[in-house]
Amino acid sequence: DIQMTQSPSSLSASVGDRVTITCQASQDISNYLNWYQQKPGKAPKLLIYDASNLETGVPSRFSGSGSGTDFTFTISSLQPEDIATYYCQEYDNLPITFGQGTRLEIK
Amino acid sequence: EVQLVESGGGLVKPGGSLRLSCAASGFTFSSYSMNWVRQAPGKGLEWVSFISSSSRYIYYTDSVKGRFTISRDNAKNSLYLQMNSLRAEDTAVYYCARDVTSPPRYFDYWGQGTLVTVSS
Repeated sequence: DIQMTQSPSSLSASVGDRVTITCQASQDISNYLNWYQQKPGKAPKLLIYDASNLETGVPSRFSGSGSGTDFTFTISSLQPEDIATYYCQEYDNLPITFGQGTRLEIK
Repeated sequence: EVQLVESGGGLVKPGGSLRLSCAASGFTFSSYSMNWVRQAPGKGLEWVSFISSSSRYIYYTDSVKGRFTISRDNAKNSLYLQMNSLRAEDTAVYYCARDVTSPPRYFDYWGQGTLVTVSS
């Protein structure tokens, strides 16, 4: 199975800050990487697919980059409604695997 | 509007069985692959199973192989997960999630989830 390692596991930032989360795959997964946002008590929501493509309707302050084994997810200017846990997910091979999540809090 | 509504969760004893359902609306269900993804209390996301639009391709994570069966009824716009020989470690919220391709790629719509608790 491909292991996906997210860092940090938790993060505290202020409104307006630039926030970056990284995801490292245990082997080369090309650009087969997606990012989800999950708010407490809610289902996950797709934000970024294929490493860098913004899902329709998602604000442009969210972005993703990377290929191979190293990926980055960025919020350019943190908003209060961005408080959530963020997960990366690879689909290079079965089983599909997720990172362990990054919990984002407002400072 | 795309909607996925899970049902069938509940409390079951170890070794017991449960059948989850996912009712789909707002899109052509027969054209999309579907998945089940679960989340244990306070934990991260775990992919469980995938079924292609025609049911031709079916995949499972190793921990549920031989115990869980995914199926779908395109005439009823419904997805199912038959869970047998349930274990405490199967306790989780189970989400159905729409996929865009076969093999699995990304999940663009999710249901609200249904809680399965396996406990004596």
